[in-house]
Amino acid sequence: NAGVTQTPKFRVLKTGQSMTLLCAQDMNHEYMYWYRQDPGMGLRLIHYSVGEGTTAKGEVPDGYNVSRLKKQNFLLGLESAAPSQTSVYFCASSWGYAQYFGPGTRLTVT
Amino acid sequence: GESVGLHLPTLSVQEGDNSIINCAYSNSASDYFIWYKQESGKGPQFIIDIRSNMDKRQGQRVTVLLNKTVKHLSLQIAATQPGDSAVYFCAEYSGGGADGLTFGKGTHLIIQP
Repeated sequence: NAGVTQTPKFRVLKTGQSMTLLCAQDMNHEYMYWYRQDPGMGLRLIHYSVGEGTTAKGEVPDGYNVSRLKKQNFLLGLESAAPSQTSVYFCASSWGYAQYFGPGTRLTVT
Repeated sequence: GESVGLHLPTLSVQEGDNSIINCAYSNSASDYFIWYKQESGKGPQFIIDIRSNMDKRQGQRVTVLLNKTVKHLSLQIAATQPGDSAVYFCAEYSGGGADGLTFGKGTHLIIQP
């Protein structure tokens, strides 16, 4: 079991560019999440999904979109990147309360 | 404890000593708690959990204590090793659905040789 995987691991974007982050899990979890983590701050929920074909907004959804076309995958999109979106992004999945995290994607927007 | 600023609280312990990391949670209705460990450059790793109907739960070298009266959670690590060096943070589930898990900002545990 690979658990939760994320691609890419690192990315540098220019302001206004777009990109998609991919999260995949092989644990057959129903729930999936995208968080951002900034220095000295806790994890903040961007969007989440309670099953294939569903998405919902979290605490900080502005500037991001998501899709869950397959149960095992959860995509996070940035349509027009801004410097404020420089962060480390974590994907997580769960079947109950406990969430299991991927290794993260470090994104820098210049 | 948990930080509200840019700098995380730091706990420095000698290798071989026991470590105690504290967390004050916010919602008296929270009924499930988790401790996570995050090593530098990695994702958070589940360590141990506890339900609100318990006061104590033990794992391998770790113990979580829950005091609901004062809304306090602690993680005890026995015989701390260099590999325990990481940021530790607590999470509480206070209901409301799949997005009901909220995370503290963490404590940085440093192991002195």
